[in-house]
Amino acid sequence: ETGVTQTPRHLVMGMTNKKSLKCEQHLGHNAMYWYKQSAKKPLELMFVYSLEERVENNSVPSRFSPECPNSSHLFLHLHTLQPEDSALYLCASSQDRTGSTEAFFGQGTRLTVV
Amino acid sequence: GENVEQHPSTLSVQEGDSAVIKCTYSDSASNYFPWYKQELGKRPQLIIDIRSNVGEKKDQRIAVTLNKTAKHFSLHITETQPEDSAVYFCAASRRYEKLTFGTGTRLTIIP
Repeated sequence: ETGVTQTPRHLVMGMTNKKSLKCEQHLGHNAMYWYKQSAKKPLELMFVYSLEERVENNSVPSRFSPECPNSSHLFLHLHTLQPEDSALYLCASSQDRTGSTEAFFGQGTRLTVV
Repeated sequence: GENVEQHPSTLSVQEGDSAVIKCTYSDSASNYFPWYKQELGKRPQLIIDIRSNVGEKKDQRIAVTLNKTAKHFSLHITETQPEDSAVYFCAASRRYEKLTFGTGTRLTIIP
């Protein structure tokens, strides 16, 4: 176990549903990330939070809404998704207080939009 | 910001041969260069990393080289085995800043 936990592991949702992905880390890291992984783009950065502040938003559609209530938790709220949003969503954390930037990934949430 | 390019996107190697994956980066201030391996159905995991004060680092069959002047770094896997089949990602960052990943290389080891 790497210390980064994602729930749920699998999610099937309709295009009109609203759901949330959760990520939790107990590594004392200051930065957390959401990545989308699909056949077309192996590792696509979506959002970066540093010290609970969003520092990067890579032109992600507004149907994806991140939330970082504290340095240990990160959410990705989903609404009115499209079938092309089906992918593996990976959460990662990095940057401990020593400055180490090794990223630890969660197991991912396999999302299927029907 | 940092931009990392990775080549090739796919690589097939006969078992026992060597594999080399190359990455270039744009930010001359980047000083940390990790490599991640993602096996099928699993999360990416760190396999080796190098910092800018070192030119080469080895760990058994895996080695990474760094050329700061040219701003490129490479992953070398010798005596490849079937379990080396995976997607490999390079990344770069400055100290205290986020990692920027390359686009990945799917390595297939042919028995």
